[in-house]
Amino acid sequence: EAQVTQNPRYLITVTGKKLTVTCSQNMNHEYMSWYRQDPGLGLRQIYYSMNVEVTDKGDVPEGYKVSRKEKRNFPLILESPSPNQTSLYFCASSLGEPSSYNSPLHFGNGTRLTVT
Amino acid sequence: SQKIEQNSEALNIQEGKTATLTCNYTNYSPAYLQWYRQDPGRGPVFLLLIRENEKEKRKERLKVTFDTTLKQSLFHITASQPADSATYLCAPGGGGFKTIFGAGTRLFVKA
Repeated sequence: EAQVTQNPRYLITVTGKKLTVTCSQNMNHEYMSWYRQDPGLGLRQIYYSMNVEVTDKGDVPEGYKVSRKEKRNFPLILESPSPNQTSLYFCASSLGEPSSYNSPLHFGNGTRLTVT
Repeated sequence: SQKIEQNSEALNIQEGKTATLTCNYTNYSPAYLQWYRQDPGRGPVFLLLIRENEKEKRKERLKVTFDTTLKQSLFHITASQPADSATYLCAPGGGGFKTIFGAGTRLFVKA
């Protein structure tokens, strides 16, 4: 089954403790992206990757890191989490550039992160 | 800056009626617009894409319109069912590698 898999689904941590949220897709998609979703603010893009070893900042990259060493994986790293990073995080992938007409985004089921 | 507005208030309708959701955008001219459905605790799921040169697009009970003059898209669900209850997100696109989403409108369909 074609899917985007995120782990973990739920994560509670303390301020300053480094964490990684994994994301993997099995569709051989070139494009991958991370979003955070907060009430009233919608989905905001954190980082995206056009291909292996190519990443770029979205609208809210501060406090996050990503890497794209393999096509299928795109982990999100919080080096020193803070309470304002408490949010629902989604990973997504698409065949190519999202502006392409045949390239809708496929989303994972989310990771709910709480930083105390 | 680019801005997308969707009705922040939830839309409550009776089963069998047509639900109409609005997406307005300002400060850019998207080449196309996508609509996604999101259920509680789940990731958004792609529904429909309409291009700037298309006035209307249909898929089963769904219909989307795209008015580039008004900078607005309308999303209709005809013969609505309780299973249609969800949050619907619009995402104007064509801006390269960034994808911007509206905050979404929550739809409740009562049996």
